[in-house]
Amino acid sequence: RKEVEQDPGPFNVPEGATVAFNCTYSNSASQSFFWYRQDCRKEPKLLMSVYSSGNEDGRFTAQLNRASQYISLLIRDSKLSDSATYLCVVSNYGGSQGNLIFGKGTKLSVKP
Amino acid sequence: GAGVSQSPSNKVTEKGKDVELRCDPISGHTALYWYRQSLGQGLEFLIYFQGNSAPDKSGLPSDRFSAERTGGSVSTLTIQRTQQEDSAVYLCASSLGLAGGRGYQETQYFGPGTRLLVL
Repeated sequence: RKEVEQDPGPFNVPEGATVAFNCTYSNSASQSFFWYRQDCRKEPKLLMSVYSSGNEDGRFTAQLNRASQYISLLIRDSKLSDSATYLCVVSNYGGSQGNLIFGKGTKLSVKP
Repeated sequence: GAGVSQSPSNKVTEKGKDVELRCDPISGHTALYWYRQSLGQGLEFLIYFQGNSAPDKSGLPSDRFSAERTGGSVSTLTIQRTQQEDSAVYLCASSLGLAGGRGYQETQYFGPGTRLLVL
């Protein structure tokens, strides 16, 4: 089983749609979780951290289910500018490979 | 403030030549990471420096790859005898560093990357 798994997509949605991305992780000792965004030919940038209680930042809502080792990202009222690849990122506490494991990303394309 | 910078932004080299890629982390960040991203692929971890500790080299794909970090700041990734499969974007990131060993992980801030093409 891969350490961080995501549906690669692409998700093609119209402007204004609500879209949800899911991610599963294998290391039950992981303690920190993030969503990063990567635009085409650009570096990844932090979108938001994911907290156990769930958290919201404007149109973006992140949730964590530790029992199922599952993370989600919900984007409401999609904008054209939301088009990007969304990377699920999990800490690798106690393991090797530095301290964060990146998923391969889910590609989102928002159409007019 | 200044972010992570990398140089060169693009590098074209011939198979068999050595290349050096440079990363300047954010001032005060003790942790530095190198990743590789091939076209359409996810990030592949290469190496991780944390303060004065021995680096975690577990992601280096072969002994042709090496990296050093001088004075706890600037890092250089060296690829010897480059091969065509080394062509990728090489990304550097930095973070404040592990917070007291509690497992809390700070945000990683990425540089713009170096696009390497081996002909």
